[in-house]
Amino acid sequence: NAGVTQTPKFQVLKTGQSMTLQCAQDMNHNSMYWYRQDPGMGLRLIYYSASEGTTDKGEVPNGYNVSRLNKREFSLRLESAAPSQTSVYFCASSAGWGSGLAGFEQFFGPGTRLTVL
Amino acid sequence: DQQVKQNSPSLSVQEGRISILNCDYTNSMFDYFLWYKKYPAEGPTFLISISSIKDKNEDGRFTVFLNKSAKHLSLHIVPSQPGDSAVYFCAANSVTQGGSEKLVFGKGMKLTVNP
Repeated sequence: NAGVTQTPKFQVLKTGQSMTLQCAQDMNHNSMYWYRQDPGMGLRLIYYSASEGTTDKGEVPNGYNVSRLNKREFSLRLESAAPSQTSVYFCASSAGWGSGLAGFEQFFGPGTRLTVL
Repeated sequence: DQQVKQNSPSLSVQEGRISILNCDYTNSMFDYFLWYKKYPAEGPTFLISISSIKDKNEDGRFTVFLNKSAKHLSLHIVPSQPGDSAVYFCAANSVTQGGSEKLVFGKGMKLTVNP
């Protein structure tokens, strides 16, 4: 039972390049999330998916796109990377509505450290 | 507009003493609160939570207190251990008022426990 896995762990891009961050969970969770963490800014929600087939914007969605490929996988795409997107990206999942209060507890992956030059 | 505030960016305590981490919120619709702990180069991990129907929840050395009238919660760690040194995030949600699965996080507080 791996929990939430993210690939890659590290990535360096040049401005304008594109890439996709992969996330998968094996807990049969309904909801999945993408966050970025920057110094002094805490965890900011980029996009989330409340269930398979749905996605919604979070606090900082500009410059990103997401795909909920299936119940297990939720990818984050940077179409044209910018230096402002240098950050640590975390994927998380939760059981969601219908699972009581425990359904709101989010489980996080280990993160992807992205540098855009 | 920051709905969950952790106003102190850092705290340093001696091993064996109490650590008190504070969190304030502005949205009166929040009714479920969580604390997460994060070590460097790792993802955050869930620590403890509290529902608004309670004013205290305890789990071993960790206790969370909720003061709804003041819109304030605090995490107490007693006794503090060097392994508790980490960044702690406070998070909140509205689970009974038609809210979503989203959590709103504070900016975090770095706790250092000195041996």
